[in-house]
Order: sequence, then C-alpha cells, then structure tokens
Amino acid sequence: DIVMTQSPSSLSVSAGEKVTMSCKSSQSLLNSGNQKNYLAWYQQKPGQPPKLLIYGASTRESGVPDRFTGSGSGTDFTLTISSVQAEDLAVYYCQNDHSYPLTFGAGTKLELK
Amino acid sequence: QVQLKESGPGLVAPSQSLSITCTVSGFSLSRYSVHWVRQPPGKGLEWLGMIWGGGSTDYNSALKSRLSISKDNSKSQVFLKMNSLQTDDTAMYYCARKLLRTYYYAMDYWGQGTSVTVSS
Repeated sequence: DIVMTQSPSSLSVSAGEKVTMSCKSSQSLLNSGNQKNYLAWYQQKPGQPPKLLIYGASTRESGVPDRFTGSGSGTDFTLTISSVQAEDLAVYYCQNDHSYPLTFGAGTKLELK
Repeated sequence: QVQLKESGPGLVAPSQSLSITCTVSGFSLSRYSVHWVRQPPGKGLEWLGMIWGGGSTDYNSALKSRLSISKDNSKSQVFLKMNSLQTDDTAMYYCARKLLRTYYYAMDYWGQGTSVTVSS
C-alpha cells in the first residue's frame, strides 16, 4: 500500500498569513504514460464530510477559491493557502489517487491564532 | 443538485453484519461511480471500496473478505454490506461520488455520513 505522510500535524496561523503544508508518498504518484500526478487534497471542517479542493496534484476543483494552490510531483506535494481566512479552519488531507487501495494521509490541522 | 445520503442502523452488535444504503440524486449511477469511505471518531479517512457505473467493484484488500458493494440504478441506491463487525469498525461511514474525469478516482461530492457504533 502507498503510505501518505503529512506534515506538520498541526499549524497555528493568523488570518492573512501564507500557509504551506506537505504531503509525501511512499511511491511515486506520477503516471509515466501521461505525465500526470494522481494526488488529491481535501478540506474537512468539524462535523462535515471532506470537501475536494485539488485533484491531479494541481487542478483546483470548481468553486474552490484561488487562494488554494496544489503543487509537486512524484512523491513530494504541497498545498499552499496564499492568505488564510477564518473559514479555512479545518483538517486537510492528501490522498493517493494513483493506485489501490486509495490511501489518505493523517491530516494537517489548521488552527487560527 | 447533486446529493448523496447515507442511512444505516446506528448500532451493531459485535460479530454481526452492517448494511448501509446510499441514496443519490442529481446524477445517474449508470454514469457515475461511487466510493465508500469511513472515519473512526477523531481519526483519519479509510477507503473501503467502490462500484463503477458499469457495476464492477473494487475493494480495499484489507477488508475485501468482509465487504460487499452493490447498487440498484433504478432506485438510485448504492449498498454497503460488511460482515463480522468488531469494535474497531466503529466509524462514520460516507459514500462519495467519483470525479467523472477519466483516470482520476478523487471524490467530488460526499454524503453527510452515517455513524455506526459496534457495541454490545
């Protein structure tokens, strides 16, 4: 199974700050045939189901604010929030979208100071 | 609009089986695939399996012997059945729609989940 490792486990920031969180996979998520990376990011707020933010490592899902940016390739990926808002308080999960079983990281909890 | 809604028993006794129904609206199960994902209280997400629009299924190998996913397109319902439940199967169980885009498994719409507690 592909193991997804997220860091840090929690992050405390002030509104308006730039935030970067990391996701590393134990195997490459790059499809050599089409050169696409199969990595997704989700946001989960308390008491709610996860919400898809990014797929294909960098493609923003429809309706997701452009302050959310996904980047990276192979085994190293990053989610950046350019200017954190109060409504971004949540846990962020990355997901191996490359091969079965689909696996998730343990999450990065974003807290506001 | 797209909606998914899970319904389940709430409480299941150890060693018994679990049946959950996911009722969808706003899209066709013959066109879209559906995943099942669970989340133990205070913990992360675990993918259980999926059923494709054509009806074939894929399962998490760790749970495959205990899981069965099926559907009824005409009723817009997807079914999850799990056998031999233990206390560590206590979790919120979600159904989620797979992105229509080819090659991607990611989940673009989720139900609110149904909470399952395994206890005597």
